[in-house]
Amino acid sequence: SQQGEEDPQALSIQEGENATMNCSYKTSINNLQWYRQNSGRGLVHLILIRSNEREKHSGRLRVTLDTSKKSSSLLITASRAADTASYFCATGAIGAAGNKLTFGGGTRVLVKP
Amino acid sequence: EAGVTQFPSHSVIEKGQTVTLRCDPISGHDNLYWYRRVMGKEIKFLLHFVKESKQDESGMPNNRFLAERTGGTYSTLKVQPAELEDSGVYFCASSRDTSTDTQYFGPGTRLTVL
Repeated sequence: SQQGEEDPQALSIQEGENATMNCSYKTSINNLQWYRQNSGRGLVHLILIRSNEREKHSGRLRVTLDTSKKSSSLLITASRAADTASYFCATGAIGAAGNKLTFGGGTRVLVKP
Repeated sequence: EAGVTQFPSHSVIEKGQTVTLRCDPISGHDNLYWYRRVMGKEIKFLLHFVKESKQDESGMPNNRFLAERTGGTYSTLKVQPAELEDSGVYFCASSRDTSTDTQYFGPGTRLTVL
């Protein structure tokens, strides 16, 4: 498997439900970032979590990081139709000059009204 | 504050032609990155500038790709000559001084090589 792999690949939920997606990675990291991409548009930055942090919140988003398991999760609470998008995790590896990001394949989330 | 902008949004060219993509980072961001996503694959790193200097170009696929950032402001990515496998979406991102800072992405340029 590849660095920054998301699970599941696709997720379909009803509006109002919570959506959880996971990201696993292989190398030691400085930070992990979550992005959203609406169909045909650019990447929107959601949250950055550093390797010494375990949890961060931003509005309806909650991100956790477990460096011992090399995994992160993104929780979207009380989902809305506008949350329909692809979600990507990206890791910045320790020792990698300049924090180049390694992306996973993404999780496609469909929120049905 | 304006975000990262990219031009053009779409480009359709014939195999063998040349295309130049442009990226304007957020004002004051010294770090500028190029990434691309080819069909069915993950978003991959191409290269990283700090101001006008190339910090890391380990992701550049071959010598048909040339990136520049004269004056440390906007950057261009030229593909010459373009091949079919170069089709995809090219993203630019920028961040402030520290190398571990948030990277803000532009909307991307969709390149189609026929």
